[in-house]
Amino acid sequence: EAEVAQSPRYKITEKSQAVAFWCDPISGHATLYWYRQILGQGPELLVQFQDESVVDDSQLPKDRFSAERLKGVDSTLKIQPAELGDSAMYLCASSPLASGRSYEQYFGPGTRLTVT
Amino acid sequence: AQSVTQLDSQVPVFEEAPVELRCNYSSSVSVYLFWYVQYPNQGLQLLLKYLSGSTLVKGINGFEAEFNKSQTSFHLRKPSVHISDTAEYFCAASNYGGSQGNLIFGKGTKLSVKP
Repeated sequence: EAEVAQSPRYKITEKSQAVAFWCDPISGHATLYWYRQILGQGPELLVQFQDESVVDDSQLPKDRFSAERLKGVDSTLKIQPAELGDSAMYLCASSPLASGRSYEQYFGPGTRLTVT
Repeated sequence: AQSVTQLDSQVPVFEEAPVELRCNYSSSVSVYLFWYVQYPNQGLQLLLKYLSGSTLVKGINGFEAEFNKSQTSFHLRKPSVHISDTAEYFCAASNYGGSQGNLIFGKGTKLSVKP
């Protein structure tokens, strides 16, 4: 069964350092999502891609976060510089459907980020 | 804007007892509803979804949920829980045809099944 891959699974970094997360969606899935899940909360969307284009990044803190999906396949989420409040689980999900029809989202295992 | 409320942050229950996890959504427009389960340090797994049709939806692991439009609710139920059901459960909603079809999640309910 195809799965969404994410790496690393765990990351510890010091504040003010740069950190990057990688996601490989299920093959053929056009839509890719990055979510942030703070401990004790539900996931919140950071950015959504349709192929290589960003379709929603309204909740992405653009002063320190960036995301790309250059070839419309895998994606990287970067934080520079990291702050203590960025400690969270970062989840990637993909969907086989076009943007606007999200009801088949498949989630990866997540990257647990701890900023010290 | 759509919002999702999970009324209980924690639900303790004994093994083989029935359980109901409550979820209410805000928007009155056409909506898709979902329940996901998350085990510790793992991603989310889809339990079930309501898109249209029958208001009683059956999912994996013996779970089911009922869509109630008049009460804007989508409560999750299981008639007899197992230790292995211990996890966090998230209700989510997506407006049909809404802004990018994004999922809006509730804050989650931690189900703790005791022997």
